This record gives sequence, C-alpha cells and structure tokens, in this order.
Amino acid sequence: AQSVTQLGSHVSVSEGALVLLRCNYSSSVPPYLFWYVQYPNQGLQLLLKYTTGATLVKGINGFEAEFKKSETSFHLTKPSAHMSDAAEYFCAVSERQAGTALIFGKGTTLSVSS
Amino acid sequence: GAGVSQSPSNKVTEKGKDVELRCDPISGHTALYWYRQSLGQGLEFLIYFQGNSAPDKSGLPSDRFSAERTGGSVSTLTIQRTQQEDSAVYLCASSPVGGGYEQYFGPGTRLTVT
Repeated sequence: AQSVTQLGSHVSVSEGALVLLRCNYSSSVPPYLFWYVQYPNQGLQLLLKYTTGATLVKGINGFEAEFKKSETSFHLTKPSAHMSDAAEYFCAVSERQAGTALIFGKGTTLSVSS
Repeated sequence: GAGVSQSPSNKVTEKGKDVELRCDPISGHTALYWYRQSLGQGLEFLIYFQGNSAPDKSGLPSDRFSAERTGGSVSTLTIQRTQQEDSAVYLCASSPVGGGYEQYFGPGTRLTVT
C-alpha cells in the first residue's frame, strides 16, 4: 500500500533561514503529490501540487517543491522563513485514478524563532 | 467564493450518544471526502462520494460510522453509540473531479466524547 514518510516531526529555524521539510513516498508509480499547511484550529490549506510536467512547482507564500522520481521525494522548501510560516505541514499523495483519497504523512511542525 | 463549511465547529457528547456532523462542499464540486484527524492516528480517510455513484466506505472504522450525501451536495457523517476513541477532528473536503486533483478542506468539527 502507498505510504508517505515525513522525516522529522518537528523542525525549528530562525527567521530568514532556509526551510526544508522532507517527504518521501513509497509507490513505484509516481502519484499525484501535494503539500498542505494547517494553522492552529484550522483546516488544511493547499500550498502546492505536482501532477505532471515541470518537476519544480511553486506554491503560495513563497514555498516550492521539487519532484524527484529517482529519489521518490517531494521536499518542500522556502528560501527565507517568516514568523507567520509557523504551522504544521502535511505531505500527501493520491493515486493517478479517479476516486482515490489522499494519503497523508504524519506531519511536520515548523517553528520559527526571531 | 465560499469554501467548504462544516458544522458544528465543536461538539461535546457523552459516551453512547449518537452525533451528526455536517459538511457543505464548494458549489459545483462533485467529489466529497471525510477524513479524521487524531493525535495517535494522524489524518485518516473515512469515506468518499462522487456524484450519484455508490460511496467508497473503505475507510470507515466500524459499522457505528455512516454517511450520506443528499442531492449531490450536503453530506452528514453519523456516529452511533460514540466511544471515547471517536474523539478527533473530523474534516470534510471537496474536489471538482474525483481523484487526481487537489482537495479543498473545511475547518473541521472537533468531537469530544466524555
């Protein structure tokens, strides 16, 4: 069965530092890939997605992610962290067929210090 | 436009009582998903509706859980004879097509079973 691994349940960075959140998936067939962000007591907000085409995808709030098939990875980055980026981030995948649910990683909590 | 809405935002119930959680998807979205988010299990898929097709109930944890979707729009998740392990945040999401596209999440209903 498909699975998603997010390395590091908690990542701490200083304001202005690079943000790197790691995500690996298990399928031999590349799935659709997503990153969501969740702020306290809120639902999930889509940051970005990869379905096909260019492997470097840009999302909202300055985030981007690169799909690397050879590494089965879809790591999320942001060049310069802002205090408002502090939240929980979830990597998710879905199979490339109709009617499949998202499979989520366990999440990574990002803390940003001044 | 309006996003996915869920009600109530919080629900406290006694063990053994039945509860109903409501989801109003984005207008025009044909696919609707229910997920459960808990500390121990992370984000788990519960059930999926696509148009007028029979729902995919493969994620429902027990026969105490059921859901319906009326008129291809509003959905209700019902939990009968609630147990303490049912305490979680229940998230609803909708999508314009069934699979392979991003899902838009509501704010969730926090259920506490005492």
